[in-house]
Amino acid sequence: DAGVIQSPRHEVTEMGQEVTLRCKPISGHNSLFWYRQTMMRGLELLIYFNNNVPIDDSGMPEDRFSAKMPNASFSTLKIQPSEPRDSAVYFCASSIEAIYGYTFGSGTRLTVV
Amino acid sequence: AQSVTQPDIHITVSEGASLELRCNYSYGATPYLFWYVQSPGQGLQLLLKYFSGDTLVQGIKGFEAEFKRSQSSFNLRKPSVHWSDAAEYFCAVGEVANYGQNFVFGPGTRLSVLP
Repeated sequence: DAGVIQSPRHEVTEMGQEVTLRCKPISGHNSLFWYRQTMMRGLELLIYFNNNVPIDDSGMPEDRFSAKMPNASFSTLKIQPSEPRDSAVYFCASSIEAIYGYTFGSGTRLTVV
Repeated sequence: AQSVTQPDIHITVSEGASLELRCNYSYGATPYLFWYVQSPGQGLQLLLKYFSGDTLVQGIKGFEAEFKRSQSSFNLRKPSVHWSDAAEYFCAVGEVANYGQNFVFGPGTRLSVLP
């Protein structure tokens, strides 16, 4: 099993540009989570999907952020337009049942200059 | 609202010494409890979990944790630390309910290991 796959690993972009982060969850996992990690705020849950349906997006910071899960094997997190304060590591995680914990991807380090 | 505290931001221990990382939570019921480890540049890896049964749970890499309801704690322990254990450790607390699931991660404790 390849685990949760995120791409790209690193992204540097200019303020105002659109950024798309990608995630492939583990096959068979029915829940997918997007987290943001910063030194100041730690790990923050942005949104999570269950069976491809967004269940809780209360953590999405503002309308510039959007997430989709068109099928069970793919999700995207889009930031448009990006701002320097969006610089962080973004993690995707998946699980089959919450009681078993989450499997995290290696993250995407986003730098907005 | 549920919350998780990890009182120690940074701990340094010598290789071979014992380790205890503290985790306290504020929650109305018996939650699901997890410990994760994050090595530099990596995602979080699940070390162990508790949701019912024996309050002392064993995990990977020789770690264990004990759930103490009376103290609202779920401390992580290891009898002898290895240099490779240097990493950031996160406690997570949450619930699964009809509306979905809601897990909160603590701020993390960074572990340094002296040779």
